[in-house]
Parts: sequence; C-alpha cells; structure tokens
Amino acid sequence: DAGVTQSPTHLIKTRGQQVTLRCSPKSGHDTVSWYQQALGQGPQFIFQYYEEEERQRGNFPDRFSGHQFPNYSSELNVNALLLGDSALYLCASSFMTVGMNTEAFFGQGTRLTVV
Amino acid sequence: AQTVTQSQPEMSVQEAETVTLSCTYDTSENNYYLFWYKQPPSRQMILVIRQEAYKQQNATENRFSVNFQKAAKSFSLKISDSQLGDTAMYFCAFMKRELNDMRFGAGTRLTVKP
Repeated sequence: DAGVTQSPTHLIKTRGQQVTLRCSPKSGHDTVSWYQQALGQGPQFIFQYYEEEERQRGNFPDRFSGHQFPNYSSELNVNALLLGDSALYLCASSFMTVGMNTEAFFGQGTRLTVV
Repeated sequence: AQTVTQSQPEMSVQEAETVTLSCTYDTSENNYYLFWYKQPPSRQMILVIRQEAYKQQNATENRFSVNFQKAAKSFSLKISDSQLGDTAMYFCAFMKRELNDMRFGAGTRLTVKP
C-alpha cells in the first residue's frame, strides 16, 4: 500500500515565478491537507480539500491556491513567489468523517527554495 | 484560536533512559484530539501517539506514553528505554474533533546519546 506521495522532492524557483506541487493521498483517503514548514518551525496549516472543494483555510494569502481532483489527488499552487515562501511543503491525507480513523498520514514533503 | 506551546527547544537523553517532552495548549473547545508526531531527518512526519480529549485514560504505545491533564491543558510525552532511533524532532499537535486540520507546536529536538 503506497502511502502519501509528493512530487517533486526538491524545487528551486526565482522570485515572482509560480510553482505547482503535487500530492497523491494514501489509498482510501478522501481528504488532503497542505502545510508549510519553515526551517526550524512546526508545520502551519495552509488549507484542506475534500470533495474537490476547499473546506478550511489557514492564515495564508490568496497567492496560495489549490485543487483536488476526482481521484482525490491534490495540487498546491503558489503565485508571485517571495523569498519567504522557501519552506518544506507537507501534504497529509485522512478521512473526513468524524468518528472514523482520524490519523493523518504525511508525505515526505517538497523542499521549495526561492532565490 | 488554538495555540500549542512546546517550551523545550532541545533535549537530550542517554540511551535506555527515560525522557519527558512537554506540551501545553490553549482552547475553548471540549472535543478535540491531541497528537505527538516524530520527524526524523528524512522529513516524514510519523504519528507517535494520539489522545482523545473525552478519554480520561492516558494513551500508551509501547515505549511511548502521555500524561494528559485536560484541566491544565497539558499533554506531555514520556519515552521510556530511549533508543538511538528516537533521535528526531517531536511535534505536539491539536485538532478539533469535527475538523481535520492540525495546529502544531514549534517542536522539540530530541537527541539520544549512546
């Protein structure tokens, strides 16, 4: 059983550019959450997708957007990149239904460096 | 808003000894989950242990156990018989029961020394 997979593993972009990160959830999971982890800090919640819609959003600007596909995979898009967007981006998948398994499984992340 | 505080940026322990990592949180919610995640250098977050707030019994997973004090909003992790493979960043996290987003603390870097 493949766990959560993210691509690419590393990425270098220039300020002002746009980037797309991808995530495939663990088999059977229907919910994908994205987190930003700056160096030396804990992950910060960006947003969550369920049934192809953004269900919850953290305190991130509109430059951060996402999408979920019918097969539950997801993309995170960041426009107009800033140096401060350099971080490890983590994807986590889980079940939405309360009362079921609430454990979130994480991918290994995409290390984004903005220069 | 929920906040999670880990007051110990770094800790170390001798192999085979016991260590306790601290975590406090702030919430007005009554139904929630608390987690401890481990993040080794490989970067992947691995669930160590989970506690449901409505359960008074402290969760235990092999060498890992928690001390959950709901009134004090405290959730510490005890690692017994520490092993070299326990060396990692440890994050405490909070999640409302009806939602699936987690709020993480800043982490504690644990080093197990031979």
